[in-house]
Amino acid sequence: QKEVEQNSGPLSVPEGAIASLNCTYSDRGSQSFFWYRQYSGKSPELIMSIYSNGDKEDGRFTAQLNKASQYVSLLIRDSQPSDSATYLCAGGGSASKIIFGSGTRLSIRP
Amino acid sequence: ETGVTQSPTHLIKTRGQQVTLRCSSQSGHNTVSWYQQALGQGPQFIFQYYREEENGRGNFPPRFSGLQFPNYSSELNVNALELDDSALYLCASSLADGEGKLFFGSGTQLSVL
Repeated sequence: QKEVEQNSGPLSVPEGAIASLNCTYSDRGSQSFFWYRQYSGKSPELIMSIYSNGDKEDGRFTAQLNKASQYVSLLIRDSQPSDSATYLCAGGGSASKIIFGSGTRLSIRP
Repeated sequence: ETGVTQSPTHLIKTRGQQVTLRCSSQSGHNTVSWYQQALGQGPQFIFQYYREEENGRGNFPPRFSGLQFPNYSSELNVNALELDDSALYLCASSLADGEGKLFFGSGTQLSVL
């Protein structure tokens, strides 16, 4: 079983709609969770971090964490073509290795 | 821009050779992590360095080794290169503040022929 699992996609969403990305993790000791965006040919860029159960909002992005279900999600509101990228879910301990999922390819269609 | 710089950007080696990749961390960051990313996959954790000591290692053989220097810059060394070592190698710096946020360099694309 992979430590962090994501649906590889591609996920196609119309422009202006909400994109919903999901992730599960197996290590109950994980305390920190992240969403990274990676454009083709570029390195991952941190867009959201979440450490407590519940929702965390930053602009058009909302991260959700449910530790009981070992589930992390990312919502992107008012999706734009520039949001088309691979989204990587990651988790880990407070001061140890951060493990990444394989990523979900998101495509925003005009 | 994260302030993390990696060199070289591209490298071509042949099987059996050795390679050294370099990384300068973001100002103020004392922890460096190295990842290997194959095409279409997520980054795979190689190891992390904190205060010049290895602080965690992923499932990579001993021919993958590293160093961290007093200025927090780091090197990744790979001996006896194999074809499967062809990948993007990413360096990420972070603070040892318990939050774990990683800031990536632009990576080194290694091709092993």
